[in-house]
Amino acid sequence: EDQVTQSPEALRLQEGESSSLNCSYTVSGLRGLFWYRQDPGKGPEFLFTLYSAGEEKEKERLKATLTKKESFLHITAPKPEDSATYLCAVPPTKGAQKLVFGQGTRLTINP
Amino acid sequence: NAGVMQNPRHLVRRRGQEARLRCSPMKGHSHVYWYRQLPEEGLKFMVYLQKENIIDESGMPKERFSAEFPKEGPSILRIQQVVRGDSAAYFCASSGDTGELFFGEGSRLTVL
Repeated sequence: EDQVTQSPEALRLQEGESSSLNCSYTVSGLRGLFWYRQDPGKGPEFLFTLYSAGEEKEKERLKATLTKKESFLHITAPKPEDSATYLCAVPPTKGAQKLVFGQGTRLTINP
Repeated sequence: NAGVMQNPRHLVRRRGQEARLRCSPMKGHSHVYWYRQLPEEGLKFMVYLQKENIIDESGMPKERFSAEFPKEGPSILRIQQVVRGDSAAYFCASSGDTGELFFGEGSRLTVL
């Protein structure tokens, strides 16, 4: 069964304290790995797509990287406004175009 | 350029009533997806539609739930005879041909 597992479930950091979030997946023949940010009461906001091992993408204080079995979302010198739930998702091994989501990492940045 | 539009944002129904949630995709997008998010849980796929066609409904409960995306007008997720367990946030997403899904702000259903 296709699975997407994110860790940790929750993470509290002080402002400026860098860290990484992990997303591991079990799908075969990866057709892209997607990162989203979700604020409370809002819909997920698209951040990045990664397609091949070794690929990296950056946006402000966020950098996403991809290996053959997992992806990392690195957060450098975070600010309180980076507090959100971060979701990763992959298309399933078989079947139509859709995304399978992990449970998310709830990130809190304290000032 | 409007994003994915969902309405209503909040809906309250009593047990046994019907709930209809509407979704207009982003301009130029022909693929629509519905997801459900229960409190403190992840996003669960329900159904994937293109105009006038249901492509994948593998995540849709077999009873009481239906979805459509007519030739004209928004996509509609319909829940008949709602029960308390249907209380959740329902998100619609749309995509073009690149695969990225863009989500609306969601419709939050509360069943009393």
